[in-house]
Amino acid sequence: GENVEQHPSTLSVQEGDSAVIKCTYSDSASNYFPWYKQELGKRPQLIIDIRSNVGEKKDQRIAVTLNKTAKHFSLHITETQPEDSAVYFCASHRPFGNEKLTFGTGTRLTIIP
Amino acid sequence: DGGITQSPKYLFRKEGQNVTLSCEQNLNHDAMYWYRQDPGQGLRLIYYSQIVNDFQKGDIAEGYSVSREKKESFPLTVTSAQKNPTAFYLCASSIMGADTGELFFGEGSRLTVL
Repeated sequence: GENVEQHPSTLSVQEGDSAVIKCTYSDSASNYFPWYKQELGKRPQLIIDIRSNVGEKKDQRIAVTLNKTAKHFSLHITETQPEDSAVYFCASHRPFGNEKLTFGTGTRLTIIP
Repeated sequence: DGGITQSPKYLFRKEGQNVTLSCEQNLNHDAMYWYRQDPGQGLRLIYYSQIVNDFQKGDIAEGYSVSREKKESFPLTVTSAQKNPTAFYLCASSIMGADTGELFFGEGSRLTVL
């Protein structure tokens, strides 16, 4: 089955600096890669996603890049703010039959004021 | 107000007891999922269902059981066979057939075995 590895497990950055979280996946058939943010005590929520026919996608301060050849994708957060502090999960989706996501192990991001 | 409702939010269980966690959605989603969340291990899939009266095992199904008698409901039973049931359980749903696979999560149920 699909395996998703996520690094780092914890990340601390100064407010205003950028943060990068990286994930690799094992199944070359995977075609959809979302990122979820989970604030303390709350449910995970989708913040950005990318499909396999796109190399980069941006939404304000958040961007995701995808390298299909290397089978890795990354989340980039610029101009970090205290409200960016949360646990971030990457995930991959395989088409055709098993409609499920495989998640990475999460990255706890702390923004230092 | 559309969404996913999980209950109870907190649950305590004695060893050897079965407990059932409720998950109800009014989003008209076909697919529903149960994930277990442990610190440092991310979200691990327990069971999922793509259609009423059908469900598949996820990666950690041992010691759990589910049913899908109605489209809106996907209860999870944590049985006494689950060796380490203390965890945070998340239910989710998604539109079947969509290639996005986007999940909408409930607020979770925290189970503690005493």
